[in-house]
Amino acid sequence: GAVVSQHPSWVICKSGTSVKIECRSLDFQATTMFWYRQFPKQSLMLMATSNEGSKATYEQGVEKDKFLINHASLTLSTLTVTSAHPEDSSFYICSARAIAPRGTFFGQGTRLTVV
Amino acid sequence: AQTVTQSQPEMSVQEAETVTLSCTYDTSESDYYLFWYKQPPSRQMILVIRQEAYKQQNATENRFSVNFQKAAKSFSLKISDSQLGDAAMYFCAYRSLLTQGGSEKLVFGKGTKLTVNP
Repeated sequence: GAVVSQHPSWVICKSGTSVKIECRSLDFQATTMFWYRQFPKQSLMLMATSNEGSKATYEQGVEKDKFLINHASLTLSTLTVTSAHPEDSSFYICSARAIAPRGTFFGQGTRLTVV
Repeated sequence: AQTVTQSQPEMSVQEAETVTLSCTYDTSESDYYLFWYKQPPSRQMILVIRQEAYKQQNATENRFSVNFQKAAKSFSLKISDSQLGDAAMYFCAYRSLLTQGGSEKLVFGKGTKLTVNP
């Protein structure tokens, strides 16, 4: 089946530092990747959509300079939370759209805690 | 913009019984996809079932089936013979058929927490 690997699964960082989260499609090429944020007991909120080789499209209210997204290849997208603050603590989930196999597949998520 | 509404924050069901989770949506599009995703405590999103709006027949996957009412913009999920492993958050989601302008994104409802009692 189609597997999306997200790394790390959890990370604790100090306030003011940057954290990079990777999202890899292991056995398929992802035409589009999505990054979501999920607060406790809430739904997934789309942060941005990225296509390989082009700039990400951010949802309204999401700071582009704070949440840097790079989609360098058809199998890898990264989300960098720059100058992290405690309010950035959340669960971040990536998903990848594929043509073959057809569908949208999710990573395992990353729990970010900023202290 | 499309919206998805799940009016039941929490539901419970006895093991082996049947439960129905509600979902309504709003769109001006005529063709689209609808999904139910399950998120267990591990928080891994798992696709439960998918429905294409142009198909009149309700989708079925083993114990999971949907009641898709296009005119009413309703998309409920029925879980038959509920099992303890069905306990999870369930999210209803909408996706446009369009592929430009970021329309491929999934729009999620707020979710329904399902508890299965032994």
